[in-house]
Amino acid sequence: AAGVIQSPRHLIKEKRETATLKCYPIPRHDTVYWYQQGPGQDPQFLISFYEKMQSDKGSIPDRFSAQQFSDYHSELNMSSLELGDSALYFCASSPRQGAYNEQFFGPGTRLTVL
Amino acid sequence: AQSVSQHNHHVILSEAASLELGCNYSYGGTVNLFWYVQYPGQHLQLLLKYFSGDPLVKGIKGFEAEFIKSKFSFNLRKPSVQWSDTAEYFCAVNSYYNAGNMLTFGGGTRLMVKP
Repeated sequence: AAGVIQSPRHLIKEKRETATLKCYPIPRHDTVYWYQQGPGQDPQFLISFYEKMQSDKGSIPDRFSAQQFSDYHSELNMSSLELGDSALYFCASSPRQGAYNEQFFGPGTRLTVL
Repeated sequence: AQSVSQHNHHVILSEAASLELGCNYSYGGTVNLFWYVQYPGQHLQLLLKYFSGDPLVKGIKGFEAEFIKSKFSFNLRKPSVQWSDTAEYFCAVNSYYNAGNMLTFGGGTRLMVKP
């Protein structure tokens, strides 16, 4: 079965650089979520999109922005990177918005900021 | 705001031992509850979920969890663990009132099973 695809899987950036992470949801899933998991920490919700509109916002820094495109893929744009941004970034998708829908997680993008 | 607590941060067991991982949440309304497993270097995989109905939920790989509403708990159990169960386990919650469906995770429990 198709799964959530994230690219790149690994990314190394310098401080103050920018990064773009991509997420391709499972086909026919219209809701995408982004989570950040720091080293040894639990995943923290960043932002979600439903039908290309932002639906909820968590602890996402102002330096980060995200959007969902017409094909439902999503991109997380990160600017002015800081050392503390080093983390595993997960994308998850679900078939439609609503609390009764399971979220399926992608393999994550491991971002290292040097 | 909802929050999730996992009281055991690290658990070490021998193979065939029984497992119970605690999870408590704080939110007074209707919640949905999940347990996810993260094997080393891999992504989160759903073990089981509770939305409504029978409070004893059976998941994959022999895991089960019991929702006790009065105790705000959703503990994960397995009668006999295997070395391959070595992983990190996350309890997560979302609430019906939250239209965005964001998951709130507990701090995780790192399980090591000794062969």
